[in-house]
Amino acid sequence: ETGVTQTPRHLVMGMTNKKSLKCEQHLGHNAMYWYKQSAKKPLELMFVYSLEERVENNSVPSRFSPECPNSSHLFLHLHTLQPEDSALYLCASSQERGLYGYTFGSGTRLTVV
Amino acid sequence: DQQVKQNSPSLSVQEGRISILNCDYTNSMFDYFLWYKKYPAEGPTFLISISSIKDKNEDGRFTVFLNKSAKHLSLHIVPSQPGDSAVYFCAASALRDNFNKFYFGSGTKLNVKP
Repeated sequence: ETGVTQTPRHLVMGMTNKKSLKCEQHLGHNAMYWYKQSAKKPLELMFVYSLEERVENNSVPSRFSPECPNSSHLFLHLHTLQPEDSALYLCASSQERGLYGYTFGSGTRLTVV
Repeated sequence: DQQVKQNSPSLSVQEGRISILNCDYTNSMFDYFLWYKKYPAEGPTFLISISSIKDKNEDGRFTVFLNKSAKHLSLHIVPSQPGDSAVYFCAASALRDNFNKFYFGSGTKLNVKP
């Protein structure tokens, strides 16, 4: 399998639940990203991992917890979310300085009820 | 504060005509720009890029123009085709360190009518 794969595609969770989003890339890239896309808003960068180290954390609430166990996998652990956290969560990867942009996954559509 | 702005949320164009999508940025340190295309239920896909050393980059039907003094870039699609109907995002970055942090606009939804 090639590209960036995100699972699950859709997720509905209650505010007291704990769930995880998974991202996997088979492109040999060395940087991975989590983005949040809310309706009619720009893509918001949440976290950046470069060479498996977190290099960026854009003031994201602690109820979102990223994990990058290796260069091919990225997780976003979710707990005690709020309804306003409902959005499309996109994972992306890039090689080196990302001169050719990112390769995005198809996203996880998250609904918090 | 939004550093990359796409002020037109939607655009409708007749098939065969030119589509022009606009993007403005505020940070003068940005020196690398991308356009992405996004279909429903899919992630954005890279379309075309331009660095600040150029003012134009062309790839088939797609051309990106950069006006550094105005901090403005535009994407021209000619001729437009119904399959071009999608949301288009522009993104800007200042090349640094070992990764690029891209700032995205909110997108313009293009509808190409047959």
